Amino acid sequence: NAGVTQTPKFRILKIGQSMTLQCTQDMNHNYMYWYRQDPGMGLKLIYYSVGAGITDKGEVPNGYNVSRSTTEDFPLRLELAAPSQTSVYFCASSYSGRRETVGETQYFGPGTRLLVL
Amino acid sequence: AQKVTQAQTEISVVEKEDVTLDCVYETRDTTYYLFWYKQPPSGELVFLIRRNSFDEQNEISGRYSWNFQKSTSSFNFTITASQVVDSAVYFCALSESLVNNNDMRFGAGTRLTVKP
Repeated sequence: NAGVTQTPKFRILKIGQSMTLQCTQDMNHNYMYWYRQDPGMGLKLIYYSVGAGITDKGEVPNGYNVSRSTTEDFPLRLELAAPSQTSVYFCASSYSGRRETVGETQYFGPGTRLLVL
Repeated sequence: AQKVTQAQTEISVVEKEDVTLDCVYETRDTTYYLFWYKQPPSGELVFLIRRNSFDEQNEISGRYSWNFQKSTSSFNFTITASQVVDSAVYFCALSESLVNNNDMRFGAGTRLTVKP
């Protein structure tokens, strides 16, 4: 298994541009997540999905959109890039949310470094 | 609300020294999960351990050990005989959710540098 893959690895955007960060997992995980990591800070959850067709906001969703048309893919969309969105973005996935698997491990992708100028 | 504090921003040691990374958490729930992740210079997060609130037994895995103390709300991580390859940022995290991990909270991380 490739695990969780993310593209691109690095991108520079101008203010106001839009882009989509891609995330794919091949572990048949139901749950997927998008985090951002700012310098010197822990990860903060942007959006998450509990299955195809279902998404919900996390702690810092403003300025982002997501979709989940398949189990494997969970793209993150930035519509109008702002300097405050300069960060490293991590996608993660986990198997299920069943009670007996509470707190199940999340597996992370390699990250996408985004610079908005 | 839950919170994770990693008070040590950066630690530098010489190879073969032992080093302990501190993690203090806050939660109102009696059921919760604690995690440690390693982020090497390559950037990806690597899962190290998950511990549930019902299990206070300490765990050892090779040179890594974890000390979970509910009385002090701490989940500290010790690396014995550190190596240069241990250089990374280490994150402690907490999840209270009984359903999924959408509420996971990460500490700010501790950057460990192991010098040869």
